[in-house]
Amino acid sequence: GQQVMQIPQYQHVQEGEDFTTYCNSSTTLSNIQWYKQRPGGHPVFLIQLVKSGEVKKQKRLTFQFGEAKKNSSLHITATQTTDVGTYFCAVPNSGYALNFGKGTSLLVTP
Amino acid sequence: EAGVAQSPRYKIIEKRQSVAFWCNPISGHATLYWYQQILGQGPKLLIQFQNNGVVDDSQLPKDRFSAERLKGVDSTLKIQPAKLEDSAVYLCASSLTDGTNQPQHFGDGTRLSIL
Repeated sequence: GQQVMQIPQYQHVQEGEDFTTYCNSSTTLSNIQWYKQRPGGHPVFLIQLVKSGEVKKQKRLTFQFGEAKKNSSLHITATQTTDVGTYFCAVPNSGYALNFGKGTSLLVTP
Repeated sequence: EAGVAQSPRYKIIEKRQSVAFWCNPISGHATLYWYQQILGQGPKLLIQFQNNGVVDDSQLPKDRFSAERLKGVDSTLKIQPAKLEDSAVYLCASSLTDGTNQPQHFGDGTRLSIL
């Protein structure tokens, strides 16, 4: 199935700084989903991107799907301590399910 | 709406013992997934059900893991015998239908420790 690489693996920022995580695939994707998992919690669906070049915003979060549909990014503007957690991208495998990336763990210090 | 329910939340067993986990998906969700999440990694799909049929179990270690969803609603995942490397969080998720464009809703998971 499709595999994705997420970078960086970890990011430590000061509250108020911006944060970006990237998800890269070697093959064209039909769609990509993003999830957030708080420490000790379970993954929570954030958004799905389907169209080439698509940009979606959720308050301080901006999600982009690359023109070639091989990469995606999640950008958080002015991080807050509530943004702490691990952000996963998930892409279709060869069947009907998703393959999750290894995630980017974000730590925000006040 | 009620979320995905899982039990137990925590389980500690010794290697070679058996263990079972239970999941009740969101009402009306036809697709149910079991994932294994090892510390520091993303969830890894073990098995996917569509109603009471298996869609994908290619990554399920079938010599020790088994799962069923007999009536197309709740599901159980069993490990017998457990190995040290099975220590992980076992997550259940459900979605309205199958297909990779469906948001998945996760339960709180069962944290399994093998001694």
